[in-house]
Amino acid sequence: GENVEQHPSTLSVQEGDSAVIKCTYSDSASNYFPWYKQELGKRPQLIIDIRSNVGEKKDQRIAVTLNKTAKHFSLHITETQPEDSAVYFCAAKSTTDKLIFGTGTRLQVFP
Amino acid sequence: NAGVMQNPRHLVRRRGQEARLRCSPMKGHSHVYWYRQLPEEGLKFMVYLQKENIIDESGMPKERFSAEFPKEGPSILRIQQVVRGDSAAYFCASSRPGGTEAFFGQGTRLTVV
Repeated sequence: GENVEQHPSTLSVQEGDSAVIKCTYSDSASNYFPWYKQELGKRPQLIIDIRSNVGEKKDQRIAVTLNKTAKHFSLHITETQPEDSAVYFCAAKSTTDKLIFGTGTRLQVFP
Repeated sequence: NAGVMQNPRHLVRRRGQEARLRCSPMKGHSHVYWYRQLPEEGLKFMVYLQKENIIDESGMPKERFSAEFPKEGPSILRIQQVVRGDSAAYFCASSRPGGTEAFFGQGTRLTVV
């Protein structure tokens, strides 16, 4: 069945450094790849997404890249701030609209 | 737009009771997903529904769990004869037909005592 793997499970960075989270997906028919941020005790919130016809997308300090051939996609956060600390989830949506999530990355940004 | 609404926010049930979790999607959204999240863990897919249809229930336990999304009213996730292992946060998300972005509700935190 469909599967999304996410690495690393935890990531600690110094404020101002960059953070990179990587995901791979198994269903080659997947065509939409969102990223969600979940703060403690709150709902997951969509922060950026990318469709399969695009290789890269940027929104201020966050960017997402997609390599369809390798079935990899990554989240890049530059100039990290303490408020970026949260759990980040990648996801992949197939043509059947099923949305499957990775296992999450706990990001800690130290001041 | 009120966003995706889930109720109740917190639900306590004794072992053997039934739990009913409700999810009202965003206006214009007819696709609903349910996920279970254990503490410190990820979002485990349970079921994907469209109005009056279950599209994919491959993540639902075979027994005690059921879901529906009627023509009128919210989507319901029903857990019969709850056990302690059912304690978790249950999130629903909704999206538009033909759309891609899915938005989450605040979740229902179920505690089985």
